[in-house]
Amino acid sequence: GNSVTQMEGPVTLSEEAFLTINCTYTATGYPSLFWYVQYPGEGLQLLLKATKADDKGSNKGFEATYRKETTSFHLEKGSVQVSDSAVYFCALTIQGAQKLVFGQGTRLTINP
Amino acid sequence: DVKVTQSSRYLVKRTGEKVFLECVQDMDHENMFWYRQDPGLGLRLIYFSYDVKMKEKGDIPEGYSVSREKKERFSLILESASTNQTSMYLCASSFSGAGETQYFGPGTRLLVL
Repeated sequence: GNSVTQMEGPVTLSEEAFLTINCTYTATGYPSLFWYVQYPGEGLQLLLKATKADDKGSNKGFEATYRKETTSFHLEKGSVQVSDSAVYFCALTIQGAQKLVFGQGTRLTINP
Repeated sequence: DVKVTQSSRYLVKRTGEKVFLECVQDMDHENMFWYRQDPGLGLRLIYFSYDVKMKEKGDIPEGYSVSREKKERFSLILESASTNQTSMYLCASSFSGAGETQYFGPGTRLLVL
């Protein structure tokens, strides 16, 4: 089946620290991969995506590279800010399908 | 600007009540989705619709039904609410096609007493 596994949270970092949130997937076929972010009290919004192997998605200083050989899509940011505090979800869709499969989410807290 | 709205941010209902959650999108999207979000479980798909009057079951459809009479509106119905349906409900919409971005509403937090 299709599934997404994220690193366990919560994650707490100091401002300007380096961030990695791990995400691995299992998929039949060729998935598109997504990171969504949920700020407190809001719905989810797309952070970045990649639709084929070796693609790199980037937005707001965040990056993730679609690694087919390791079935991974880890989220990274070089210097986090307090405003990055949120819940981050890794997700996939399978080619020909339109449903998102989500990981369980990782809560990130950045302290000043 | 892209917009998905949900009829309520917070709802409190009693066990056995019929509950309607409504979602409206203004982007002329073909697809609409209902998810529930629970701590430690991420988002799970309840139902989705790829066209007016068309629907497909998601991963957890039991206890829920949906209605899509107009392209912009997708309703989630709890026929007889139960306490295990206390959750955050999120609506989303997208254009059809693999890899399309889903746009989410702000969510409805439902408490069933």
